[in-house]
Amino acid sequence: SAVISQKPSRDICQRGTSLTIQCQVDSQVTMMFWYRQQPGQSLTLIATANQGSEATYESGFVIDKFPISRPNLTFSTLTVSNMSPEDSSIYLCSVEERSGANVLTFGAGSRLTVL
Amino acid sequence: QKEVEQNSGPLSVPEGAIASLNCTYSDRGSQSFFWYRQYSGKSPELIMSIYSNGDKEDGRFTAQLNKASQYVSLLIRDSQPSDSATYLCAREANTGNQFYFGTGTSLTVIP
Repeated sequence: SAVISQKPSRDICQRGTSLTIQCQVDSQVTMMFWYRQQPGQSLTLIATANQGSEATYESGFVIDKFPISRPNLTFSTLTVSNMSPEDSSIYLCSVEERSGANVLTFGAGSRLTVL
Repeated sequence: QKEVEQNSGPLSVPEGAIASLNCTYSDRGSQSFFWYRQYSGKSPELIMSIYSNGDKEDGRFTAQLNKASQYVSLLIRDSQPSDSATYLCAREANTGNQFYFGTGTSLTVIP
């Protein structure tokens, strides 16, 4: 299965700042997704990162707050902009692998704490 | 998100017992369903996928799907303390290939 590297693994940020999370995959994948997991909660899909075009955002998430880049089939970034304590969460990059059956594989996640 | 419901638990079972985890979904068009396991502080990992009505077995795990009732379940036989984790039910959207997760069920297997 694909190996996904995310960085940073964790960070402590100040209110009002922005942070960019990077996701690197060791193979070309069509579908890449960004999820958020708030403390004690399940996974919420933020957006689908589309290669060569604008990301597709889920209801409740907007590009101004969570700009996403997908310059090629192995790399994506998620920026959390103008952070507030409510943005403290784990952000997970994931890819869908289509090796016979569709499987969603996750990176290790980026744990952000906003003070 | 996107209406995948699970009993959040917590669910406790003694070692060696059968753990039963349940999930319902609202989108009748959904075709693909998944169970993920998430240990504390770790990322989710796939346990099983199921696409057809009926049962699918893999070792100690059995997934069951009933599309008419919009119901998915996971049975864990001979539960072990190492099975203690949060179990997430997920469905794949018919279009766009997005995966939507339920709220998760916390399972504790008591030695």
